[in-house]
Amino acid sequence: AQSVSQHNHHVILSEAASLELGCNYSYGGTVNLFWYVQYPGQHLQLLLKYFSGDPLVKGIKGFEAEFIKSKFSFNLRKPSVQWSDTAEYFCAVVFSGGYNKLIFGAGTRLAVHP
Amino acid sequence: DAGVTQSPTHLIKTRGQQVTLRCSPKSGHDTVSWYQQALGQGPQFIFQYYEEEERQRGNFPDRFSGHQFPNYSSELNVNALLLGDSALYLCASSLQREQFFGPGTRLTVL
Repeated sequence: AQSVSQHNHHVILSEAASLELGCNYSYGGTVNLFWYVQYPGQHLQLLLKYFSGDPLVKGIKGFEAEFIKSKFSFNLRKPSVQWSDTAEYFCAVVFSGGYNKLIFGAGTRLAVHP
Repeated sequence: DAGVTQSPTHLIKTRGQQVTLRCSPKSGHDTVSWYQQALGQGPQFIFQYYEEEERQRGNFPDRFSGHQFPNYSSELNVNALLLGDSALYLCASSLQREQFFGPGTRLTVL
């Protein structure tokens, strides 16, 4: 079955710490990969996306993610987090033949303390 | 340029009732997808509409149905509501591979 796993459900960091959130998917075919963020009280926003090409993609607000095909992974990173990064982060995958059907992970709730 | 809009914002229903949620896509987008996000979980795909037809469907019972209008707006209908249908219902619109989400409708079933 097509599925997406996010390893960390809750992460607590201090400002300026580095962040890495894990995401793995189940299927070995062609995929489109996404990270979405949901700030408190706001709707889902796209952080970054990968369709093809350079496996290291850069998104908004200093976030980046690396697609490692052999590991079926698409981990999100940020070198130095800020209090304003406090939010819930979702990894999502469109599997081949999926017509833009997003399969989401369960999400990681990030809390950044000043 | 307005983004994706959804109405109503909140809704309270009782078990067995029926509900209709509405979505207006981002300008120029022709595809609308609906997702259900239960508390503490990631969104789950319900179905997708393109050219007024249901193009694909997730693992949701027939109690969940939808419609897309010629102006690309869409409705989600849920019949015979169950307590477990309480969730945030998200609409997303797209033209190609990137989806834009609306703020959602929070449905509470008592």
